[in-house]
Amino acid sequence: GAVVSQHPSRVICKSGTSVKIECRSLDFQATTMFWYRQFPKQSLMLMATSNEGSKATYEQGVEKDKFLINHASLTLSTLTVTSAHPEDSSFYICSAPRAGDDEQYFGPGTRLTVT
Amino acid sequence: AQKVTQAQTEISVVEKEDVTLDCVYETRDTTYYLFWYKQPPSGELVFLIRRNSFDEQNEISGRYSWNFQKSTSSFNFTITASQVVDSAVYFCALSGYTGTASKLTFGTGTRLQVTL
Repeated sequence: GAVVSQHPSRVICKSGTSVKIECRSLDFQATTMFWYRQFPKQSLMLMATSNEGSKATYEQGVEKDKFLINHASLTLSTLTVTSAHPEDSSFYICSAPRAGDDEQYFGPGTRLTVT
Repeated sequence: AQKVTQAQTEISVVEKEDVTLDCVYETRDTTYYLFWYKQPPSGELVFLIRRNSFDEQNEISGRYSWNFQKSTSSFNFTITASQVVDSAVYFCALSGYTGTASKLTFGTGTRLQVTL
């Protein structure tokens, strides 16, 4: 089956620094990828839709200048959390739809802790 | 706007009991997809099922079964003869049907605890 990877799986950073999370579709191309955030014991909330070759579409309430998304190739989307704060500590999960079979594949997630 | 409601926050059962997880959804779309995912403590989402709105046939897969009732906008999930390994958070989700997979709206999840 299709595989989506995320790197890193876990990251701890200091408040004020920036962190980049990668989402890769390993055996298929994805013109669109989705980024979700999950706070502890809560549901997954869509943050933004990443579009290859164009600007990302952000959900209401998500700061686009804080959460920078770059979808530079058909297999890679990156989410950069800029000037991270403890309240950004969360589980970030990406997903990528595979064209043709209409399936959506989730990455294993990245757990971000900001100290 | 789409909405998914999982009224059961936590359920605790003893192994071998049957358990049903409820899911009620709202959407204005005439065609859509419904999903169930399992999230074990590791956090990785495990895909369980996808059902499109055209297909109201119930489905069984081993100990898992799903009951889709379009008339009541419900897509309930039953685990028969539960096992400790079934302990996890289960999410019901909804997406549009546009020809390519679109963003998912998740319910708040139901935490299932299966004990010996």
